[in-house]
Order: sequence, then structure tokens, then C-alpha cells
Amino acid sequence: DQQVKQNSPSLSVQEGRISILNCDYTNSMFDYFLWYKKYPAEGPTFLISISSIKDKNEDGRFTVFLNKSAKHLSLHIVPSQPGDSAVYFCAASAVGNQFYFGTGTSLTVIP
Amino acid sequence: NAGVMQNPRHLVRRRGQEARLRCSPMKGHSHVYWYRQLPEEGLKFMVYLQKENIIDESGMPKERFSAEFPKEGPSILRIQQVVRGDSAAYFCASSLGRHWEMNYGYTFGSGTRLTVV
Repeated sequence: DQQVKQNSPSLSVQEGRISILNCDYTNSMFDYFLWYKKYPAEGPTFLISISSIKDKNEDGRFTVFLNKSAKHLSLHIVPSQPGDSAVYFCAASAVGNQFYFGTGTSLTVIP
Repeated sequence: NAGVMQNPRHLVRRRGQEARLRCSPMKGHSHVYWYRQLPEEGLKFMVYLQKENIIDESGMPKERFSAEFPKEGPSILRIQQVVRGDSAAYFCASSLGRHWEMNYGYTFGSGTRLTVV
């Protein structure tokens, strides 16, 4: 069963605009969340993380928001750049347990 | 249609013991990748294998680590004489084609958490 869901397989955004990638989870025990980015020619690379004690974490153009009551996670990219075009995976973990990955959202930033 | 299966999900080893991590790719997938995630770090590539061949092992530590993907059976990541620094989450992924070809899906397993005590 898919405990982490990314319901949008793809997203297209104009350069300079905001990209919002969404992720939902079902397990209330998850307490650590991550976003990965994957380019076609490379393996996934870590982007940003957040623990359940926070509701927001920011790193440059990337901000992750966590809504625990809604079991919802989102990644905001502002401003979006063509180099951000990639597949984005969210992942979640509970203490002492493995990571559960979403199926990914393919982001295309149009110049 | 099972996804990428990794076992065990959690493995505890004492220093000096051997750890064997198994990965069964998705049905029909003949390309397997192993990644490691150290605490507070992102996924790092370790090795890429096809059936009976190691294609790219540029991310593998030079000593104590080895990987195989035999003609029959799962891919195995083997760590000999484990040390505390080996404690990490080890992820396997599989795909139909080479991972640099966007047309092929790239599916991760749930990982094995190795704890060395």
C-alpha cells in the first residue's frame, strides 16, 4: 500500500513563477520527511528535509511546508528556473523504520 | 505486481560482523542500483548493476563493500567487518533501462536500515 502519495505525475511552470509540489501521507507515525530531485542522467539527489517538530524549512529558493493535521507536505520553488526541471520525490520515515517514497512528480520549467 | 523488494528492513550487526542486504527488482527490471543514506545526509549512489555485471561502482567504498546481481536471485550488497560508520539506510532501485534514459521508470525499494552496535 502506498503510504506516501504524489498525486500529480507532472507539472509545468513558467520560468520565474512559483512551483508547488505536493505530497500526502497516511501514517501518522512519520516524523521525518525529505525531498529528492532526480535528473534523467543522474541518480536522485537530496534536496531538503523537515522533521515533524517544524512546520517549515527553508533553503534558498526551496521551502518545505509540513501540515501534520492534514498529513500533507509541499515543496515550493521560487523563482523556478529551467535547471529545476527534474523528477521530484518525497519520502517519509518513522523512527526506527525505513523510508517510504512517493512515485515522483516530473517538473518542467518553461523558459 | 510487487515493487522493488528489499530485506531485511532493519538489520542490527555488531562491529566486525558481516551484513548482507538483498534486493529483488521489479518484475522485468534488469537494472539495479544501490544507494546509501547516512544520517542527516541525502541519498548517495553506490553501485549500478545489470544481471551478472557491475556497470558502475564509482560510489562504492574501496574496501569491505561488494555487490552482485546474479543470473538468478536477488541483488546482494555485502559489507564485511562492519563498523559504526556503516550505520545507514541502504536503498535499492530498479529500472527497465539505464538510469540515464528518462523513458524508463526508476523505482526505489523501501530500504534496509543497518545499525552497527
